Amino acid sequence: NAGVTQTPKFRILKIGQSMTLQCAQDMNHNYMYWYRQDPGMGLKLIYYSVGAGITDKGEVPNGYNVSRSTTEDFPLRLELAAPSQTSVYFCASSWRGRAKNIQYFGAGTRLSVL
Amino acid sequence: AQKITQTQPGMFVQEKEAVTLDCTYDTSDQSYGLFWYKQPSSGEMIFLIYQGSYDEQNATEGRYSLNFQKARKSANLVISASQLGDSAMYFCAMREGTGTASKLTFGTGTRLQVTL
Repeated sequence: NAGVTQTPKFRILKIGQSMTLQCAQDMNHNYMYWYRQDPGMGLKLIYYSVGAGITDKGEVPNGYNVSRSTTEDFPLRLELAAPSQTSVYFCASSWRGRAKNIQYFGAGTRLSVL
Repeated sequence: AQKITQTQPGMFVQEKEAVTLDCTYDTSDQSYGLFWYKQPSSGEMIFLIYQGSYDEQNATEGRYSLNFQKARKSANLVISASQLGDSAMYFCAMREGTGTASKLTFGTGTRLQVTL
């Protein structure tokens, strides 16, 4: 089982560049999430989606955009990269309808903005 | 106020011993869920155990158990018979309410080092 797949694993960007972090899940989950993890910290929610075509902001959405055109994919877009966006990014998915609603995570994308 | 507090930045435990990782939470919701995740040095986030606010019994998953004390708002993770492979960061997280999205709030984590 692939689970949640994130690409790329590592990326270095120059200030002002743009990029898209890819996330795909094959568990038919309806909910998907993007988090960032700064050094020595826990994860903070950037955006989430409760289904195709529906997205909403989390705790730290500034500087990011998302879209969800299919159940499987939830890309995260950085339009004008800034050093403050240097972080590890995690995508997660879960299935609403089960009491626990456990989030399963991808392996992460380590991004440096220089 | 912090919603999830993990007061132990780092812990050491000897192999085969038990260890307790502390987690306190703050919520005014009656319905919520508490989670523990493990993050090894490779970086991935691995789900370990879940406790629902209405669950009367403490959750257990193999060597992991969750010591849930609702009145104290604590949800400590107990790892029995520690193994070298348990060395990792451990994060406590909470899901509040029963809204349309199960957003998690994470603590800052505890780094556990298992020694010989």
